[in-house]
This record gives sequence, structure tokens and C-alpha cells, in this order.
Amino acid sequence: SQQGEEDPQALSIQEGENATMNCSYKTSINNLQWYRQNSGRGLVHLILIRSNEREKHSGRLRVTLDTSKKSSSLLITASRAADTASYFCATDEEDSGNTPLVFGKGTRLSVIA
Amino acid sequence: DAGVIQSPRHEVTEMGQEVTLRCKPISGHDYLFWYRQTMMRGLELLIYFNNNVPIDDSGMPEDRFSAKMPNASFSTLKIQPSEPRDSAVYFCASSLLQGGLFSYNEQFFGPGTRLTVL
Repeated sequence: SQQGEEDPQALSIQEGENATMNCSYKTSINNLQWYRQNSGRGLVHLILIRSNEREKHSGRLRVTLDTSKKSSSLLITASRAADTASYFCATDEEDSGNTPLVFGKGTRLSVIA
Repeated sequence: DAGVIQSPRHEVTEMGQEVTLRCKPISGHDYLFWYRQTMMRGLELLIYFNNNVPIDDSGMPEDRFSAKMPNASFSTLKIQPSEPRDSAVYFCASSLLQGGLFSYNEQFFGPGTRLTVL
């Protein structure tokens, strides 16, 4: 079953602008992770935020988590053409037993130079 | 470390043929996952292993699909017989459950195998 739903499905911005992607989920989680996938490549882990954290930074990435709204956002500041990729959120559901990460369908980001 | 290694990178075959995809996880990782990605269905988990033991294969679409992990450094995904609707990119990923917490850490993905069944 699909847990994370990214929004928007596609986003096109100019180089230098900020890009914001959102993820909503349905159940309680242990952590939420964001991944990037360049065309023709595998997914690459970007950042993990635990359920007791509200915000996390890594370079130009900023992730927020609102467990009361069951949502997360990924902000990429000062975007570059190289940021063009699909971005996925993945949730580690609490009390899921052996169920591993559940991935959303992703947001396709295009950064135009 | 070389990361997760998958072979072949591309496979073109005819309907009815057997296809075997291979994966070498990152050394020391105790979880291995097989995914399928298509435009229509996104990323689907097919099966995953913990310490070489299959834990959940409920994502395997049909009996035509089978997966094995004979040792910690090798896994295969086999499709027999293959059908055109099996055309997709198949990813292998591995991860390490750390610290005794039942919380899944980041997964490391291989480059994928693009399968085309004619």
C-alpha cells in the first residue's frame, strides 16, 4: 500500500529559485526519508528525519516534519540545473512489524538554466 | 565500497524466455530489497530478505517471479516465462538495521536493470 503522496507531481522552476515539495502520509511513523533519482539511475538517499524531530538541514536541503498533520516538506534552496531529478519520500511506519520503507510516486523537478 | 552492484544493466528478451537479474549488496548490510519501477505504477517492492532469509514476498506479482539469496553477497530475481508486461526497471537495494532499534535506515540502491520483453 502506498503511504507517502508527494505534491506536486511535477515542478518546473528557474535556476536560483527555491523548490518546495510536499509529502503526506497516513499512519504513525518512526522516520521519514527523502530520496532523489536522476534519470536512468537508482535512488539516492538525501536525508532522514525522525518522528521526534521537526526540522533538519543538509547543505541546501531543508526538511520539515509535522506529525500532527502527517506531512513533510523538502525545500531546495538556490536550485541548480543539476537538481533536476525526481524526489521521493519514504516512510518507516510505526508498529509495522516487518514492513520496510514505503515510497511515494515522487515529484519530478525540472530546474531550467 | 563499490555500492550495490546489479547485472545486467540492460536486458532485451523475447516473450516466454527466462530472465535472471543479479544483485550484489553492500558488504555487511543485512537487508536486501528488490523493487520494480514503471511509469504507471511507480516504485513497487517485490520481495525483501533479512540475513538471506525471505521475509515478505507479497509484492511478487505472480508465480512466474522468484527470488533467492544463497549467501550474504548475492541475490537473484528470476522471471520465467517472461511477458511484455514485465518490462520495467528492476532495482536492488540494501540497508543495515543499526543499534537494535526497529527503525529502517537509509536504503542504498543499485543502478537498476532495464528489462524489455518483446
